Amino acid sequence: QKEVEQNSGPLSVPEGAIASLNCTYSDRGSQSFFWYRQYSGKSPELIMSIYSNGDKEDGRFTAQLNKASQYVSLLIRDSQPSDSATYLCAVRAKTGANNLFFGTGTRLTVIP
Amino acid sequence: GAVVSQHPSWVICKSGTSVKIECRSLDFQATTMFWYRQFPKQSLMLMATSNEGSKATYEQGVEKDKFLINHASLTLSTLTVTSAHPEDSSFYICSASVSGANVLTFGAGSRLTVL
Repeated sequence: QKEVEQNSGPLSVPEGAIASLNCTYSDRGSQSFFWYRQYSGKSPELIMSIYSNGDKEDGRFTAQLNKASQYVSLLIRDSQPSDSATYLCAVRAKTGANNLFFGTGTRLTVIP
Repeated sequence: GAVVSQHPSWVICKSGTSVKIECRSLDFQATTMFWYRQFPKQSLMLMATSNEGSKATYEQGVEKDKFLINHASLTLSTLTVTSAHPEDSSFYICSASVSGANVLTFGAGSRLTVL
């Protein structure tokens, strides 16, 4: 079983719509959760981090965490063509460890 | 914010040669840096954890004698791919975090192509 699982997509949404990206993880003891955006040929850049159950909003982005269901999601409101990228879900498994486990990523295309 | 510089951004080499990739934390000290590898259309896979002043910790399946890691100072870690072969062609990315911070910052990555 993979540590972190994501639907590889591709996910296509029209410009202005809401894009919903989902991720599940296997280690119930996981403490920290991150969403990274990766453009083709580039390294990942941090979009959101979330540590507690519930929602966390930052601009057009909302991260949602449900530790009981071992599920974390990212909503992108008013999607823009510039949001087209691969979105990586990452999990830090335990307190004190600094490395991250990554999902395979979901490729998002926002259609103008 | 924390900046991680990685060099070179791309390199092409002949099979059997060695390639060194540098990872520097520009505005902070990093006692620990991480080296990831990403093959096309796949996720980032942790190769090893680089510890300043001590031996690196390698993930299962990563050959420590092939991927030499040196972390001689608090701002520099190097990854040397020894006797590179075409199957080593990949995108290598380093990362580090400020001590006590919960967020990893990534370098820009180094694309290695072995002919």
